Formats: sequence, structure tokens, C-alpha cells
Amino acid sequence: EIVLTQTPLFLSVTPGQPASISCKSSQSLLHRDGKTYLYWYLQKPGQPPQLLIYEASNRFFGVPDRFSGSDSGTDFTLTISRVEAEDFGVYYCMQSIQIPLTFGQGTKVDIK
Amino acid sequence: EVQLLQSGGGLVRPGGSLRLSCAGSGFVFDKYGMNWVRQAPGKGLEWVAAISGRGDTTYYADSVKGRFTISRDNSKNTLYLQLNSLRPDDTAVYYCALDSWGQGTLVIVSS
Repeated sequence: EIVLTQTPLFLSVTPGQPASISCKSSQSLLHRDGKTYLYWYLQKPGQPPQLLIYEASNRFFGVPDRFSGSDSGTDFTLTISRVEAEDFGVYYCMQSIQIPLTFGQGTKVDIK
Repeated sequence: EVQLLQSGGGLVRPGGSLRLSCAGSGFVFDKYGMNWVRQAPGKGLEWVAAISGRGDTTYYADSVKGRFTISRDNSKNTLYLQLNSLRPDDTAVYYCALDSWGQGTLVIVSS
């Protein structure tokens, strides 16, 4: 089973400042088709998770361009260039290259 | 717009059964594999099961294998999860998931 380790687990951010979350994978998520099967989700209280980034670095439809994803081997980063008040919630990374699909532990972000 | 509308769920006694449904719209339903993911109260996300677009291939988490069954009826654009031999640790919000997720349905297993 692929283990995804997120850091930090808690993040308090000031609006207008940047923020980043790390997700380290125990195995490569690069498929032979050239795609990297790492996703980022944001879950707000009482809501289902919403997809932000797919295949490590592609923004999903309607996601603001302040969100970006990057990867370096088995290390993945979600960056918010300028945090806004609506960005609070829990962020999860997820891999789908191998069954079972697995998630990181989640990073809770609150806004100062 | 992709929409996944869930139904089913509720309170059930240990050892009981439930069936969850997830009706899809806004996309070509049989072209996509789909997943069920659950979230125990106050906890993180746990993948439960997956099914191919045609419904001929299924996968399960070890924690539910032999007790849960994922299926789909492509003529009705609907995904199902049959939950049998339920245990208290199956208590969770269950989500059907593609790129978008359903709204979730709460399953409580308690005597």
C-alpha cells in the first residue's frame, strides 16, 4: 500500500500571504503513460471534498489560479500564492496509481 | 455540469445491511470508473471500493472485502454499494466519487 505523508498537519495563515503543503509518497506515482496520479482536495466543514489539482499539477475546472501543484519525484507540493479567507478547511492529497487508493492524513488550514 | 446525487444510508444494527445509491448526470456515465470513499466521524478519508465503467472489474479495501459489493446499472446511470454484515466501525459518511463527489450519506451502525 502506498503511504502518503502530509506536512504540516495544521497551518494558520494570514490572508494575502502564501502557504504550502507537502505530500510525500512512499512510491513513485509516475505511470508509464506519462501521467502522475496525485490529486489535491479541499474539504470544508460539512461538505464533500472538492478537487483542486489533478495529475500533480493541473488545476481542475473553476479552481482559482492562486492554487498550484508541483512535484519532484515522490515529493508533492500544493501552493496557495495568496491565501484568501475562503481557503480554510482540510486539504488532502490522494494517489490513484495503485489499489488501494490512499489519502494523506489531511492538513487543517485556518485563517488568522 | 457533473452531478452525483446520493441516497440510502441511515441507522442499522450491527450485522445488518444497507444499500447506497449514487445517480450520475452531466457526463457519459458508462465511460468512467467510479469509487466509494468513506469518512468516519472526525477522521480522514478512506477509499472503500472501485468499479470500472462497464462494471466488469471491481476492487475493494481489505476492511470491507467480502462484506460490501459495488455495482452499477449503466442503463439507469446509477452506482450502488451494498453493505452487509455491518459493524460499528463502518459508521461513516459514504461518498461516491469521480472528479466531483456526491453530497455524502451517513451510515450509523449501532445497537
